[in-house]
Amino acid sequence: GAVVSQHPSWVICKSGTSVKIECRSLDFQATTMFWYRQFPKQSLMLMATSNEGSKATYEQGVEKDKFLINHASLTLSTLTVTSAHPEDSSFYICSAREVRAGNTIYFGEGSWLTVV
Amino acid sequence: EDQVTQSPEALRLQEGESSSLNCSYTVSGLRGLFWYRQDPGKGPEFLFTLYSAGEEKEKERLKATLTKKESFLHITAPKPEDSATYLCAVQAGGAQKLVFGQGTRLTINP
Repeated sequence: GAVVSQHPSWVICKSGTSVKIECRSLDFQATTMFWYRQFPKQSLMLMATSNEGSKATYEQGVEKDKFLINHASLTLSTLTVTSAHPEDSSFYICSAREVRAGNTIYFGEGSWLTVV
Repeated sequence: EDQVTQSPEALRLQEGESSSLNCSYTVSGLRGLFWYRQDPGKGPEFLFTLYSAGEEKEKERLKATLTKKESFLHITAPKPEDSATYLCAVQAGGAQKLVFGQGTRLTINP
C-alpha cells in the first residue's frame, strides 16, 4: 500500500518553544492531508484538514494560531506546535488522501510529542 | 450529523476462535467505509475500503462486509498477532474527512 512518513517519530521540547512535525507522502501526490491528535486509549481526534496551496481548515475548538499547518507541496505537510506547553504533549498522526486509489486515506506512523 | 458506533468496545478471544466486529453508521450519502488496524503507539494501518451495500473484501484472516446501516469485520481463526485496535471510519457527503468510531480492542490469547 501507499506510504506516508512522519518525522520525527518522537520529540521532547521545552515549554514555550515551538516544534515542527513533517508528514510526507512517499509514493503518491496528496492534494489533501489531515492532522489528528490521539490521547491514550481513545480514538483519533481530527485537528485540521490541509489542502495543497491553500489555508488549512481547522476543526472546532482547535487553535489555528497554536497549531500552524502548512501544505506547500503535493507531498509535504507540516504541523508546527507553537509555544508548546505540557498539555500539548500527545500522539500526533497525519494522513494523506490518495486519489488514484479511490480516495483511500493512508496514515503516517505518528509522532510522540513530550513537552517538559 | 454523521455518526459511527463500533461494538464491542473490547473483545478477548482464544486463538482460533472466530468472531465479528460491528460498525454501525448513520450518514448522509456514504462515499466510503474504511477499516484500519492500529497497534499501540503506531498510526493506523489501512485494511479495506467498502463503497456500496453488498460489497465484501478479504485479506488473509479478515473479511469485511457492508450493508446500508452497518459493516462487519469477520476474523477467522485468529492468531495472537491479530491483537490490535480495529477502527472503522466513514467518508460521507461532500466532506473530505473521515468520521471515526471509538474502535474495538481485540486481544487474541494463545
